[in-house]
Amino acid sequence: DTEVTQTPKHLVMGMTNKKSLKCEQHMGHRAMYWYKQKAKKPPELMFVYSYEKLSINESVPSRFSPECPNSSLLNLHLHALQPEDSALYLCASSHYRVGYTFGSGTRLTVV
Amino acid sequence: KQEVTQIPAALSVPEGENLVLNCSFTDSAIYNLQWFRQDPGKGLTSLLLIQSSQREQTSGRLNASLDKSSGRSTLYIAASQPGDSATYLCAVRKEDTGNQFYFGTGTSLTVIP
Repeated sequence: DTEVTQTPKHLVMGMTNKKSLKCEQHMGHRAMYWYKQKAKKPPELMFVYSYEKLSINESVPSRFSPECPNSSLLNLHLHALQPEDSALYLCASSHYRVGYTFGSGTRLTVV
Repeated sequence: KQEVTQIPAALSVPEGENLVLNCSFTDSAIYNLQWFRQDPGKGLTSLLLIQSSQREQTSGRLNASLDKSSGRSTLYIAASQPGDSATYLCAVRKEDTGNQFYFGTGTSLTVIP
């Protein structure tokens, strides 16, 4: 298995909702990432997990809460989001020999 | 902090042309460099990974080169096709930042039939 699987592919949520994005990989990669991408911009790093521990938090607002339950799973919990948080959310994993592998993303719309 | 720049920001070429995309980085202490393509609204697809000890990598019509000392990488696409139309991104992994990669600004390529 050489894929990173993200669910759901699309999500529409209200500003008072709580939702979660999920990411799964079975390549044995020990680093996992969340990125946010706005239209026509490169991905912006949000969080990095290394060996299931949060190693980088790029000053992301607390309404985004990451979780890494085990070495194959990465979640992003969303609460009280703003319309400007609407974006494509990308999950990735990496190994130093093969670089990054990205999922296909979750298109999030906050209404 | 590592700064990664891609030139040009946008490129439009007729089908069949050979083309070169450029990626520049400010800190030459890199571990590896990776090229991706991204179709609109989709995830990133890895094209080529060059380790810091390598000078180039090839896959089909794609060839990527790396010159660490000058802080540059190029992606050469031979005999371009309309299906090559996408945004191309390079990402650099520094030696001392563990698992963090730095993305370039991207080049939007359009191949005209």
